[in-house]
Amino acid sequence: NAGVTQTPKFQVLKTGQSMTLQCAQDMNHEYMSWYRQDPGMGLRLIHYSVGAGITDQGEVPNGYNVSRSTTEDFPLRLLSAAPSQTSVYFCATRTGVEQYFGPGTRLTVT
Amino acid sequence: AQSVTQLDSQVPVFEEAPVELRCNYSSSVSVYLFWYVQYPNQGLQLLLKYLSGSTLVESINGFEAEFNKSQTSFHLRKPSVHISDTAEYFCAVRPFGGAQKLVFGQGTRLTINP
Repeated sequence: NAGVTQTPKFQVLKTGQSMTLQCAQDMNHEYMSWYRQDPGMGLRLIHYSVGAGITDQGEVPNGYNVSRSTTEDFPLRLLSAAPSQTSVYFCATRTGVEQYFGPGTRLTVT
Repeated sequence: AQSVTQLDSQVPVFEEAPVELRCNYSSSVSVYLFWYVQYPNQGLQLLLKYLSGSTLVESINGFEAEFNKSQTSFHLRKPSVHISDTAEYFCAVRPFGGAQKLVFGQGTRLTINP
């Protein structure tokens, strides 16, 4: 049981490039979400999904897209990377009241 | 909407000293309360949670937090810290009902000095 996995661990992008951050879970949890973590700002919700085929925006959705075609996967797409998207990104799942976080992806946009 | 304020961004303490990390929240509806811990270069782990019942909740590694409804606070305490407690600690709330989105505070970096 791997829990929540994220790839890649590290990524450097140039401004304007696009990429997809991968998130997968093997716990069969319906709820999945993406957060970004920035110094002094805690974790902020980007997008979330309550089940396959259903997604919604969080607090800071601009510049990011998501889709949820399966229960297991919840990729986060950066359409045109900007330096303001330099951050650590965490994927999480939830069952009941408990939330489980992945190890994170550290993204730098130059 | 909910908001969470962690009153200290950094807390340095000596090993074996007591520590308190402060958390206040604002919400127009009832909430669940959580403390998460993030060790260096790792993801977040749930440390403890308040759902209902006794207002004092404890973790397996000696931390405790007390829910104070009148002061809308959920401060985290430990009577004697260890070097291994060095981490960033996040307070979070989740409202009952609706989309139940988790809202985090800004984090408190706890540094233990020998």
